[in-house]
Amino acid sequence: GAVVSQHPSWVICKSGTSVKIECRSLDFQATTMFWYRQFPKQSLMLMATSNEGSKATYEQGVEKDKFLINHASLTLSTLTVTSAHPEDSSFYICSARGYGGAGTGELFFGEGSRLTVL
Amino acid sequence: SQQGEEDPQALSIQEGENATMNCSYKTSINNLQWYRQNSGRGLVHLILIRSNEREKHSGRLRVTLDTSKKSSSLLITASRAADTASYFCATDAGWSKLTFGKGITLSVRP
Repeated sequence: GAVVSQHPSWVICKSGTSVKIECRSLDFQATTMFWYRQFPKQSLMLMATSNEGSKATYEQGVEKDKFLINHASLTLSTLTVTSAHPEDSSFYICSARGYGGAGTGELFFGEGSRLTVL
Repeated sequence: SQQGEEDPQALSIQEGENATMNCSYKTSINNLQWYRQNSGRGLVHLILIRSNEREKHSGRLRVTLDTSKKSSSLLITASRAADTASYFCATDAGWSKLTFGKGITLSVRP
């Protein structure tokens, strides 16, 4: 099946620094990528929808300036957590959808990136 | 906001038994999907059922969908210890923008 790679898989940073997480589709072109956040033992919350070549669409309550999303190519989307604080510590997961129509197929998920802000 | 709500929240069964998990949702959907997540890992897609389908099978998995009741069930037959994981239902109202339920923690005892 299709593979989506996230990097890094885990990162520890100091409060105030920025962290970039990459999401790559390895064997298909992803027109749309989604970024989710998951707190321990909780569900996934959609943060934003990233479309190649255009601005990301953020869900209500998600700070655009805090979570910068860039989808510069058909195989790469990045999430940058700017000026990270301990409350930003979480598990961030991306998913990718290739060509093939709206809502007709499965998404492929990355393995997630665990961010710990000290 | 959460669309899917699974029940039970936690399920513990013996290896070999069947596991049934339910999911309810609130709004119209294009399809409903079930995912598995092992601890600290990403999600693995299990099965997708479209809104015009009522039942679907994939190996030991059987999923049903009742759009009149806005509910779905996932049945895992002949469970194995390796099935131990969290299971999420997710609804797709269009363009693959999924809304996930809270998840069910399944423990299969060897």
